[in-house]
Amino acid sequence: EVQLVESGGGLLQPGGSLRLSCSASGFRFQYYWMTWVRQAPGKGLEWVANIKEDGSEKYYVDSVKGRFTISRDNAKNSLYLQMNGLRAEDTAVYYCARELGSNYRFDYWGQGALVTVSP
Amino acid sequence: QSVLTQPPSVSGAPGQRVTISCTGSSSNIGAGFDVHWYQQLPGTAPKVLIYGNNIRPSGVPDRFSGSKSGTSASLTITALQAEDEADYYCQSFDSSLSGSLFGGGTKLTVL
Repeated sequence: EVQLVESGGGLLQPGGSLRLSCSASGFRFQYYWMTWVRQAPGKGLEWVANIKEDGSEKYYVDSVKGRFTISRDNAKNSLYLQMNGLRAEDTAVYYCARELGSNYRFDYWGQGALVTVSP
Repeated sequence: QSVLTQPPSVSGAPGQRVTISCTGSSSNIGAGFDVHWYQQLPGTAPKVLIYGNNIRPSGVPDRFSGSKSGTSASLTITALQAEDEADYYCQSFDSSLSGSLFGGGTKLTVL
């Protein structure tokens, strides 16, 4: 059974840093693109970043470029999102999801980790 | 401008049919990229409802169907049931963003 479990969320002050982790199981992690998607309270879904199977390609939504870094450790079946320079507008539930590179769909999602940025 | 536009809300009585539209542009849906639809029940993670424009994953009732034409796509739900009350999102890839794009979401209310 495919499982994605996020961890590392919390309450931060503006300007702070946080690293989210996503532990994957039930599939060959190193063969899949992975993605982070976020959802601000009461708002819609927003794609944040994705990373190729071997980590050689990474893409970001404009609003997080230069502040967030996506990475992975295939030996540990883990995906990460390093978030620096956090802003109030980064407050959201962050989901990791498995991405099918053939048509960019997200077929499995984690339960989400809440990140709150507030003074 | 890279956006996918959905109506904020739709509603229907049990047994009725509703359609949710998703309008994009030449850099996403119109460029030939597939459209996927997700259902999000309150307090839960999104789940794939339709992928590849019109394909239902196993376990999704055939009351749900998708279509795509030009720069738009739509999700149709027939024989509405109370359990269909949820938020629905379309998603596609956008070549100008080099990343995925979600519609703003549509809240379905079953009257």
